[in-house]
Amino acid sequence: AQSVTQLGSHVSVSEGALVLLRCNYSSSVPPYLFWYVQYPNQGLQLLLKYTSAATLVKGINDFEAEFKKSETSFHLTKPSAHMSDAAEYFCAVSDRGAQKLVFGQGTRLTINP
Amino acid sequence: NAGVTQTPKFQVLKTGQSMTLQCAQDMNHNSMYWYRQDPGMGLRLIYYSASEGTTDKGEVPNGYNVSRLNKREFSLRLESAAPSQTSVYFCASSRGLAGYTDTQYFGPGTRLTVL
Repeated sequence: AQSVTQLGSHVSVSEGALVLLRCNYSSSVPPYLFWYVQYPNQGLQLLLKYTSAATLVKGINDFEAEFKKSETSFHLTKPSAHMSDAAEYFCAVSDRGAQKLVFGQGTRLTINP
Repeated sequence: NAGVTQTPKFQVLKTGQSMTLQCAQDMNHNSMYWYRQDPGMGLRLIYYSASEGTTDKGEVPNGYNVSRLNKREFSLRLESAAPSQTSVYFCASSRGLAGYTDTQYFGPGTRLTVL
């Protein structure tokens, strides 16, 4: 079965610093991968997704993620953190063509002024 | 477009009471989902409906039932609520195209407390 692990339940960075949120998946074949963001008291919204085109995927708000098959990873990065990036971030995985997603446990990102 | 809407936003139940969470989408999506979110556990799939007239169990279906009333609406019922069902419940929908994993669009959630 598909699974995804997010390293670090809580990450704290300074405003303007690099954001790095880690996600590793387990799958025998390259899956589809997603990053979702949840702002306080809201539902989830898609940041970006990998569906086997380019391995470097760009999303909204200057976030990007790189699919690395050799490392079974799909880490999320942003060059310069903004206060508005404070939220919870979820990595999710799916078998290709499947409708169901399996979510990681989430990483809460805090931005320090 | 309202997207995915959920009612109610908040609910407090006593153990043993029943209730139905409502979800509707106006994006003409085929697939709909119910998740629960608990601290440190991410989102876990309760039930999903690949298309109108079909429903399937997810990872944590025990204690829940669902109804896909029509293409727009997908309800989640707790027949006899238990404290372990205290959680935030999210409904989501996607286009549900065969052979393609599409983006899921989420509602704002229902915060349920069972005393």
